[in-house]
Amino acid sequence: DAGITQSPRHKVTETGTPVTLRCHQTENHRYMYWYRQDPGHGLRLIHYSYGVKDTDKGEVSDGYSVSRSKTEDFLLTLESATSSQTSVYFCATARVEVGRPGAEAFFGQGTRLTVV
Amino acid sequence: GESVGLHLPTLSVQEGDNSIINCAYSNSASDYFIWYKQESGKGPQFIIDIRSNMDKRQGQRVTVLLNKTVKHLSLQIAATQPGDSAVYFCAETGANSKLTFGKGITLSVRP
Repeated sequence: DAGITQSPRHKVTETGTPVTLRCHQTENHRYMYWYRQDPGHGLRLIHYSYGVKDTDKGEVSDGYSVSRSKTEDFLLTLESATSSQTSVYFCATARVEVGRPGAEAFFGQGTRLTVV
Repeated sequence: GESVGLHLPTLSVQEGDNSIINCAYSNSASDYFIWYKQESGKGPQFIIDIRSNMDKRQGQRVTVLLNKTVKHLSLQIAATQPGDSAVYFCAETGANSKLTFGKGITLSVRP
């Protein structure tokens, strides 16, 4: 899995609390992504990063923020968790921009988040 | 645990038969396409990719076909095996580095 570690792997939290998910990679990949996966919806891009301190929004970014202060870590924060954010969250990394040769994206094992 | 395959279209094939999984994409500006396989409880894994200047690419037991005219992508798996049972996603990207996934199809292989 290209040295990608997501933490925690499972979390239950209460509505209104802040939550931070961490993605750590040991491959020195430049590009990192956060997706959420829900039944019947496939994977939807939340935010992505194309370098340290360089991030951009995906298609479902509302209610989420990210930070990338160093190459190996990409943090996803739910400022005030809601039940609609109950999901499985996947982090992915890519060595070069996806679409270029060698741009395979590698995924972590996922974090199952439940907001009650 | 909850299956990510719930509510997804399902393709059921007999072991040993060939499988064809189809995907329609929406962005005519996309120029790079990828198929991913996701087994239960795991993250997606890369299978094969194709650029928009190609219409066919072959890998080991898999072939991807691209029809840009109708914005259609397909994945063909030869001699389907039980280990091929999974959810399959097509993904696309264009001039930026965003990777957008389709909703996925569950492949079920009958012994």
